[in-house]
Amino acid sequence: KAGVTQTPRYLIKTRGQQVTLSCSPISGHRSVSWYQQTPGQGLQFLFEYFSETQRNKGNFPGRFSGRQFSNSRSEMNVSTLELGDSALYLCASSETGGRYYSPLHFGNGTRLTVT
Amino acid sequence: KQEVTQIPAALSVPEGENLVLNCSFTDSAIYNLQWFRQDPGKGLTSLLLIQSSQREQTSGRLNASLDKSSGRSTLYIAASQPGDSATYLCAVNSGNQFYFGTGTSLTVIP
Repeated sequence: KAGVTQTPRYLIKTRGQQVTLSCSPISGHRSVSWYQQTPGQGLQFLFEYFSETQRNKGNFPGRFSGRQFSNSRSEMNVSTLELGDSALYLCASSETGGRYYSPLHFGNGTRLTVT
Repeated sequence: KQEVTQIPAALSVPEGENLVLNCSFTDSAIYNLQWFRQDPGKGLTSLLLIQSSQREQTSGRLNASLDKSSGRSTLYIAASQPGDSATYLCAVNSGNQFYFGTGTSLTVIP
């Protein structure tokens, strides 16, 4: 099976712009979650989608949003970019999600740089 | 809110040594715990997943244990190799989301 695919791998944006990141989960996985990784804060949970519904949300401002399509592919959008949004954004998929999580499988991430 | 701590933050060992990485968490009401490795600039690779009802899991040279009551997990790596050099993270699933530790950066010296 193909792994989790994230596109693009690298992005450079200017403050105030918006950006959309894409994630294709492993075939058959219905749960997709997003994480932000920075040297100072480590890995922080953004949100999780399961069968097109946002099931859980981390403590991030409303500028961060996402969605999931019927084929389980997911997109994450960040509006009005700030310098502090520069980070590695990771997507993970799992078969079940929820309290009986099967293992999380991560993509290689999208490196976002905001100038 | 769940807090996950990993000690030490960095570890350097000679090839062939056995080693233990530690992960502690503040809320014992967890569903499961997962260990990952991360190579520089890459995503996370799943190593082992322990469900809350389990005490340990093994995969090759890796063995992970879980003690929910004390809020601790350990990852044991036997006969370390230079290819094991990476950052190791533990993640605790509670409240339907994973909380990650900040990782232990491991260097295995040939």
